[in-house]
Amino acid sequence: DAGVIQSPRHEVTEMGQEVTLRCKPISGHNSLFWYRQTMMRGLELLIYFNNNVPIDDSGMPEDRFSAKMPNASFSTLKIQPSEPRDSAVYFCASAGQMLNYGYTFGSGTRLTVV
Amino acid sequence: SQQGEEDPQALSIQEGENATMNCSYKTSINNLQWYRQNSGRGLVHLILIRSNEREKHSGRLRVTLDTSKKSSSLLITASRAADTASYFCATDGSGTYKYIFGTGTRLKVLA
Repeated sequence: DAGVIQSPRHEVTEMGQEVTLRCKPISGHNSLFWYRQTMMRGLELLIYFNNNVPIDDSGMPEDRFSAKMPNASFSTLKIQPSEPRDSAVYFCASAGQMLNYGYTFGSGTRLTVV
Repeated sequence: SQQGEEDPQALSIQEGENATMNCSYKTSINNLQWYRQNSGRGLVHLILIRSNEREKHSGRLRVTLDTSKKSSSLLITASRAADTASYFCATDGSGTYKYIFGTGTRLKVLA
């Protein structure tokens, strides 16, 4: 398995533009998470999906952020419109039933909004 | 918030020495996990310890859990330069796979 795959690895965009981050979880994992990491706030859980259904989106900062999981092998995190304070590294992680293996994280998308 | 807090924030040691990092959390948990993050990379799962366990080993890693004190420690024995990374604890509060990560300890192992 290639692990959790995120794209793009780096994204630089202008303020006001729409940004879409993509994630392919590990096949067979039924939980998917989006996290955001910044120096100031550390790792923040944005949203948690279980069996493609959003279970907890209380961490989504505001209405500009939205996430979807149309099927078990794909998820997107969209920011529209983007702002400089959204600059961060966004991680996707997936987990299966055997929790002993923990979460498997992707390599992240480094987003810079100028 | 049940967010864990690691201590120390940063640690610098010589290769071959042991490194100990601590994690404190606020609410009851079912499980606690430790992760490593190398610079510019995603987090890698190291070990999970359940609330009914007190100690767990994996290679050079030793994790302890004291639920009465709401704290855990990660010990890396005979450290290597390759252990240089940030280490995070993550706690759940309801067993729903929703883990909250601590602030991390930056470990630097000097060759």
